Amino acid sequence: EVQLVESGGGLVEPGGSLRLSCAASGFTFSNAWMTWVRQTPGKGLEWLGRIKKKIDGGTADYAAPVKGRFTISRDDSKNTLYLQINSLKTEDTAVYYCTTRPIAVAPNYYYFTDVWGKGTTVTVSS
Amino acid sequence: DIQLTQSPSSVSASVGDRVTITCRASQGVGRWLAWYQQKPGKAPKLLIYAASSLQTGVPSRFSGSGSGTDFTLTISSLQPEDFATYYCQQANIFPPTFGQGTKLE
Repeated sequence: EVQLVESGGGLVEPGGSLRLSCAASGFTFSNAWMTWVRQTPGKGLEWLGRIKKKIDGGTADYAAPVKGRFTISRDDSKNTLYLQINSLKTEDTAVYYCTTRPIAVAPNYYYFTDVWGKGTTVTVSS
Repeated sequence: DIQLTQSPSSVSASVGDRVTITCRASQGVGRWLAWYQQKPGKAPKLLIYAASSLQTGVPSRFSGSGSGTDFTLTISSLQPEDFATYYCQQANIFPPTFGQGTKLE
């Protein structure tokens, strides 16, 4: 079964840091572009960033609002994706999802993600 | 970034109704547009990609159309399990962006 399981969320004070993890199974993780998306309470979806598979360069790119504070990385030996969040703000309070499309016929298709985790909740509050 | 505007923001419908949701992009995205369904407390689910391609396992009552800046998601005969929030997403220009959502109730 193809599965993504996020972890690492919790209550953090403003200015703090957090590392979220996403454990993948059921597909060849090293062949997948991996993406993080968040959803703030009562709001819509916000695309945060993605990391390419190593054969495509392994680079991570980010949406402008989070660039510089968020870092996406991957450990293909552990089939795990990470999201490091620094200088947390109250507006970072959200459910964070990792998501992917394990097989894509062209690069743009990687953004039409059909596998999602259940999400992990981050609450930033003093 | 490309802005996606969905209309309506919410729609009331009944089982058996035909429902249409539109998504307008601030600039052309070709056919690089997807539709997702999200139910409360759940992750989004991909319904349609590349404007009109039905994701495997998604009922055929869902269909998508459009290109450029104007896109449509149609549910031909609403079923009880279809009451949810629907989002469009573009993947033509980085970064990908989502519409604000349409709540079907």
